[in-house]
Amino acid sequence: DAGITQSPRYKITETGRQVTLMCHQTWSHSYMFWYRQDLGHGLRLIYYSAAADITDKGEVPDGYVVSRSKTENFPLTLESATRSQTSVYFCASSESMGREWNEQYFGPGTRLTVT
Amino acid sequence: AQSVTQLGSHVSVSEGALVLLRCNYSSSVPPYLFWYVQYPNQGLQLLLKYTSAATLVKGINGFEAEFKKSETSFHLTKPSAHMSDAAEYFCAVRRQGDNDMRFGAGTRLTVKP
Repeated sequence: DAGITQSPRYKITETGRQVTLMCHQTWSHSYMFWYRQDLGHGLRLIYYSAAADITDKGEVPDGYVVSRSKTENFPLTLESATRSQTSVYFCASSESMGREWNEQYFGPGTRLTVT
Repeated sequence: AQSVTQLGSHVSVSEGALVLLRCNYSSSVPPYLFWYVQYPNQGLQLLLKYTSAATLVKGINGFEAEFKKSETSFHLTKPSAHMSDAAEYFCAVRRQGDNDMRFGAGTRLTVKP
C-alpha cells in the first residue's frame, strides 16, 4: 500500500529551467493538492484539483502550472524556475470534499533548490 | 477570510512535562480544525481533528485539543512529553464550503531529557 508518493525527493535546478515535480496516490482520492513549505509561513496552497481535468488556484499559484489527466497523478511544473521557488513541496490528497472534516494525506515532500 | 495563528514558533519542555501548543483561528463561519505533526524529513500526519461532534478531541500519541469558541482557540496538549514527541506541529482550519485548508506557521517542539 504505497499511499501517496512524490518524486524526486530532492532536486537542484538552475534559474530559468523548467522542472516538474511528480505526485502519485493509490487511494483514488478525488482531491489533490500542492503546497509549498517555507520557514515562517507554514504550508501555503499552490494549486488543487477536485477531479481529473479540474484544477484551481490556491494562495500562491504564480509561476506554477498543474495538470491532472488521471485521477492518481497530479504533476506540478515550474515553467521557469526562480530562486524564490526554492522550497519544500508537499502533495496531498483527500476524499470528496462533501465532508469538510475529511483530512488530507500528505506525501513525503520534495526539497527543491533553485540556484 | 479564515486564518490560523500559532503562538510561539519554538516550544521547549522537559521529558515528562506538560506540552501546550497554542492555536487561535479566525473564521466567519464555524470551522473545522486540525492538528498535524511533521517529523524530520517527512510529510504531515494527522494528530486529531475537530468536527463539531465534541469540543474535547482526543488524538493519537496521547495528544488532545479543546475547541473553545469564545476564545477562538484550539490548543493542543499532552500531559507528559516523550522524547519522541519532538517534531513540528501545525494547526489548520477549513471553513464549511471551502476547498482549501489554511495552515499556521508551525511550532517546533523540543523535548529535553
